[in-house]
Amino acid sequence: EVQLVESGGDWIQPGGSLRLSCAASGFTFSGYAMAWVRQAPGKGLEWVSAISIGGDTTPYADSVKGRFTISRDNSKNTLYLQMSSLRAEDTAVYFCAKCYTHCQNNYFDKWGQGTVVTVSS
Amino acid sequence: IQLTQSPSFLSASVGDRVTITCRASQGISSYLAWYQQKPGKAPKVLISAASTLQSGVPSRFSGSGSGTDFTLTISSLQPEDFATYYCQQLTTYPFTFGGGTKVEIK
Repeated sequence: EVQLVESGGDWIQPGGSLRLSCAASGFTFSGYAMAWVRQAPGKGLEWVSAISIGGDTTPYADSVKGRFTISRDNSKNTLYLQMSSLRAEDTAVYFCAKCYTHCQNNYFDKWGQGTVVTVSS
Repeated sequence: IQLTQSPSFLSASVGDRVTITCRASQGISSYLAWYQQKPGKAPKVLISAASTLQSGVPSRFSGSGSGTDFTLTISSLQPEDFATYYCQQLTTYPFTFGGGTKVEIK
């Protein structure tokens, strides 16, 4: 059974940094592209970033470009999101999602349960 | 690419036929997915490639469309279908979502 388990969410002050992790199991992690999606309280879904199977393609939403970095460690079956210069508007539930092989021209076929990031002074 | 969903809110009764539309600001061929999200839960994919029903999803759900105009239809609304529905395009970065359609009980 495919499982995606996010961790690392916390309350943090504006300007701070945080690293989210997503532990994957039940599939060959190194064979799939992955993504992060977030949802602010009471709002809709916002795609944040994705990473290709090889890790060489890492697009970002304009709202996080230059502040967030996505990465993957295939030896640990783990996806990461390094977040820095955090702002109040980054407050959200962060979901990791597995792409159906590649992300482009496909879809997110499995999602984690999410981890909560609260940015507030 | 912007995705505009309508309506943003829908009140319906069990047994009703429900239609949600998603319009893309430019053509995306058939590369559109539909997701269902219940409160406090992660989204779940219902339909990919505009009209391909995912395994385990009830046949009362269907999708259609291509290019810029897409539709998600629930043929006979069931109690477990009350949720928020999102469309998403994965043709071009950023992989945008529609604003969502909340389906509530009338």
